[in-house]
Amino acid sequence: DGGITQSPKYLFRKEGQNVTLSCEQNLNHDAMYWYRQDPGQGLRLIYYSQIVNDFQKGDIAEGYSVSREKKESFPLTVTSAQKNPTAFYLCASSNTMNTEAFFGQGTRLTVV
Amino acid sequence: GIQVEQSPPDLILQEGANSTLRCNFSDSVNNLQWFHQNPWGQLINLFYIPSGTKQNGRLSATTVATERYSLLYISSSQTTDSGVYFCAVEPGGGADGLTFGKGTHLIIQP
Repeated sequence: DGGITQSPKYLFRKEGQNVTLSCEQNLNHDAMYWYRQDPGQGLRLIYYSQIVNDFQKGDIAEGYSVSREKKESFPLTVTSAQKNPTAFYLCASSNTMNTEAFFGQGTRLTVV
Repeated sequence: GIQVEQSPPDLILQEGANSTLRCNFSDSVNNLQWFHQNPWGQLINLFYIPSGTKQNGRLSATTVATERYSLLYISSSQTTDSGVYFCAVEPGGGADGLTFGKGTHLIIQP
């Protein structure tokens, strides 16, 4: 069935390591997004991509990187430059005209 | 950037009660969505409603774009309605991402 798949659900990282979160969608959406959620807070936009091979910084892009080599995939790398990476990460996708966004189930990242 | 304010921040009700959640935004929007976040963190789409009124069962929503607010109504609340309700907006004309409010934490007591 159609949807957005994020993996893994839980991820533990040692300080100083890079880690990559996966996001795959089969909704044939052009646009994809990454958000971060901290406890008791709303979501904040990290990066977004409206088309393959192009992406834009969101409000909190520092310490993160992305790629968009395929329409279906938008992986997020949390680099060692991200000072406070422990958070809940959500991926979303939408069309570019009707921009109703749909979300994956999220990845909980913990730095140990 | 655009500001989104949700009220109230917390709401505790008895089962069967009705509630109204409010979302104010500071600029014109191309997209407005209401979500319910379940205990596992999943965001459930409730309404895509940049303007007008929609209903889905016990839930309904109204957005008055000219006055920059939206309302989510929940009637005959059930314990399964508990959770956090988010309003999110997207200004502009393209897929530039949503700006979220801080949410309303709703607790329905049996």
